[in-house]
Amino acid sequence: ETGVTQSPTHLIKTRGQQVTLRCSSQSGHNTVSWYQQALGQGPQFIFQYYREEENGRGNFPPRFSGLQFPNYSSELNVNALELDDSALYLCASSLYGGNEKLFFGSGTQLSVL
Amino acid sequence: GENVEQHPSTLSVQEGDSAVIKCTYSDSASNYFPWYKQELGKRPQLIIDIRSNVGEKKDQRIAVTLNKTAKHFSLHITETQPEDSAVYFCAASRGYGGSQGNLIFGKGTKLSVKP
Repeated sequence: ETGVTQSPTHLIKTRGQQVTLRCSSQSGHNTVSWYQQALGQGPQFIFQYYREEENGRGNFPPRFSGLQFPNYSSELNVNALELDDSALYLCASSLYGGNEKLFFGSGTQLSVL
Repeated sequence: GENVEQHPSTLSVQEGDSAVIKCTYSDSASNYFPWYKQELGKRPQLIIDIRSNVGEKKDQRIAVTLNKTAKHFSLHITETQPEDSAVYFCAASRGYGGSQGNLIFGKGTKLSVKP
């Protein structure tokens, strides 16, 4: 059984650029959720993907977008990066569109300069 | 929308003592309450969760209690050990997935257990 893996682990971008973060879900899990964790804060829900479709979205602007692939892996794309986008981005996998017993990855630390 | 408040923000205890972390939530429709432990530089890990039809749940040295009327729930750690040192997050959710079912996290409690 493999856990949730995310890449890259660290990323530095400049304001206005675009970034793509990747996540592979835990074996057998078909749902992926993305969270943003600012320093010293709890994770904040961005969106969830289930059956390759967005299955709920938090209070984030449209420049945050995502994809889920047939193998259940997922991407988070952020366009027009802003300084406030600097955070740890966490991916979590679960079953059948649910939010129970989420398994988190180690995250991607994004710094926007 | 749901709002989760967590207290205290920092907690320091002596090894062997008990630690209690409290959370309150605002949405009476919330029915799932997990607790996650996040060690420095590591992923959040689920340590215990409880549903609204249960008042208390235990797993070895860890227990969670839920008071639906008062809309608060607490994490209790007994016989603390240095390896319990971490940031603990509570969360609340209405239910099963979607934008209304997503987890709302508290801001975290940094627990330090001194040998």
